[in-house]
Amino acid sequence: GAVVSQHPSRVICKSGTSVKIECRSLDFQATTMFWYRQFPKKSLMLMATSNEGSKATYEQGVEKDKFLINHASLTLSTLTVTSAHPEDSSFYICSAREERGLDYNEQFFGPGTRLTVL
Amino acid sequence: AQSVTQPDIHITVSEGASLELRCNYSYGATPYLFWYVQSPGQGLQLLLKYFSGDTLVQGIKGFEAEFKRSQSSFNLRKPSVHWSDAAEYFCAVGARSSNTGKLIFGQGTTLQVKP
Repeated sequence: GAVVSQHPSRVICKSGTSVKIECRSLDFQATTMFWYRQFPKKSLMLMATSNEGSKATYEQGVEKDKFLINHASLTLSTLTVTSAHPEDSSFYICSAREERGLDYNEQFFGPGTRLTVL
Repeated sequence: AQSVTQPDIHITVSEGASLELRCNYSYGATPYLFWYVQSPGQGLQLLLKYFSGDTLVQGIKGFEAEFKRSQSSFNLRKPSVHWSDAAEYFCAVGARSSNTGKLIFGQGTTLQVKP
């Protein structure tokens, strides 16, 4: 149980194009999803938190117009990198959690998406 | 400011040797504490977590970690390392005071295992 998938696993795009990454919770309802960015040999940087049916909350320094996040259902969140540039190349990881009224609701991570912008 | 520090960026151990990965945190109160493992090009897998109670917690794959409040540490240990343990290890903390679920990650420690 508690499986999170991401699609695509790898994507290569040309500079200036937009790329959409999907994050799905396969066997639970994810009331909250998180999007992280990871540079090579670096830690995970939280980009934004999305709650189903509401606007995402972006971390300081993350351009919300560039990284569009949509959490339209309890099992799907999407991250769209708009007008991608080579500096947006990175490993993007999502995580999802289900609100179960516990003191702490564990989040489960997807396998990540490698984005390369040429 | 809240932070997590993993002092060792890279560690190399021989297969069968013991392992300890260090993690120190700076937080207003005792947070929730986690260790995750990441294989190359993969997402994160939870090894173990500490919420409360016994300060020595057992995890998967033979890992354990000990919470030491006086030292603000949560070091990860394994008595005998296997070659398959080679990976990136992240310590993370989460706030008790709010239920946002946000995690703060350390910089990660790369574990290399020698035959």
